[in-house]
Amino acid sequence: DGGITQSPKYLFRKEGQNVTLSCEQNLNHDAMYWYRQDPGQGLRLIYYSQIVNDFQKGDIAEGYSVSREKKESFPLTVTSAQKNPTAFYLCASSFVFQGNFNYEQYFGPGTRLTVT
Amino acid sequence: QKEVEQNSGPLSVPEGAIASLNCTYSDRGSQSFFWYRQYSGKSPELIMSIYSNGDKEDGRFTAQLNKASQYVSLLIRDSQPSDSATYLCAVMGTGGFKTIFGAGTRLFVKA
Repeated sequence: DGGITQSPKYLFRKEGQNVTLSCEQNLNHDAMYWYRQDPGQGLRLIYYSQIVNDFQKGDIAEGYSVSREKKESFPLTVTSAQKNPTAFYLCASSFVFQGNFNYEQYFGPGTRLTVT
Repeated sequence: QKEVEQNSGPLSVPEGAIASLNCTYSDRGSQSFFWYRQYSGKSPELIMSIYSNGDKEDGRFTAQLNKASQYVSLLIRDSQPSDSATYLCAVMGTGGFKTIFGAGTRLFVKA
């Protein structure tokens, strides 16, 4: 089955610890994205990557880091520098935007991170 | 700051009625528009995409786009209790990747 997997589903960490969230896709999509969702708010873009070994900051990249060593994988590290890390983290993927035609983004099941 | 605005709701409709969800956006050059459904505690699921002015129908769902008015809507016919969810409007602007999401409208379909 094609799809996007994220692990773990729930993650609990102590303040001051770095944590890495996993995202894998087998849809052969070129682009991958990380979003954060807080209660009652829309999705906010953290990082995105159009191609292997390249990625760009989104609107709220401070305190986060990513890597894109393989087309299928786009892990997100939440560092201790992120002031309010507790949130629902969503990974998405799509084909690459071409001209005026945009390919839809498809989401993984998400990781709910709680930092205390 | 480019924005996507939605009424937060909740929008309550009786079973079998038409639910109408609305969205406005600020970037006049936006090219691509999407509706996602998100059940509580779950991730968003794409239900419709629309790129040209007019209507696009898919089963019980119809997306409507009016670029001149910077307005996109989603109609759900014959609403069912299983349609109760938050509906996110998403807009991709000019120049590439960034898709801006609205905060969503909560829909409640009463049996």
